Amino acid sequence: DQQVKQNSPSLSVQEGRISILNCDYTNSMFDYFLWYKKYPAEGPTFLISISSIKDKNEDGRFTVFLNKSAKHLSLHIVPSQPGDSAVYFCAARKGTYKYIFGTGTRLKVLA
Amino acid sequence: NAGVTQTPKFQVLKTGQSMTLQCAQDMNHNSMYWYRQDPGMGLRLIYYSASEGTTDKGEVPNGYNVSRLNKREFSLRLESAAPSQTSVYFCASSSGQGTYEQYFGPGTRLTVT
Repeated sequence: DQQVKQNSPSLSVQEGRISILNCDYTNSMFDYFLWYKKYPAEGPTFLISISSIKDKNEDGRFTVFLNKSAKHLSLHIVPSQPGDSAVYFCAARKGTYKYIFGTGTRLKVLA
Repeated sequence: NAGVTQTPKFQVLKTGQSMTLQCAQDMNHNSMYWYRQDPGMGLRLIYYSASEGTTDKGEVPNGYNVSRLNKREFSLRLESAAPSQTSVYFCASSSGQGTYEQYFGPGTRLTVT
């Protein structure tokens, strides 16, 4: 039972354009959502998060949108840069210490 | 400030062997976690420790044990390794406050033959 789904395994975007990564969830009890970026042979690194009581959070080039009625969140990267090429995971917090991760989307930014 | 460190980086075990994966953090975080990452599965929580002296099961605890040795260190033990435990293991820590992000170590790639 996949509670957090990233349905696109991969995405290619031209440098300078917008990258949009999507994530769907099934559990209404999630209270916090996070995005992580992962390079090969490294651990995930935190990018941005959003509380379930908000619908948007921005940090520089990264914006996360949350649509609670659709149980959908998205990460927008504008403008995309070659260094953004990585695997992106969304995660949802279930209770104080449990996080459910999606399967990841591999983003490739083409120069 | 090294963040979260894990040892070893790579390990090959034979079925039935045991080993302990070590993890340490220098950020004075209360909470620590062990995850495994398998192809197409994302990261799955094995065990977590909310604070020093406590440990709890996550999503996939079978075949593993953990020890929260002190506030800095959280180890994961495989008592009798099985091929199904071939995976990349990540340790993480968090303060449990603010944006609730977790800080991850570089991972241990474990192969069980």
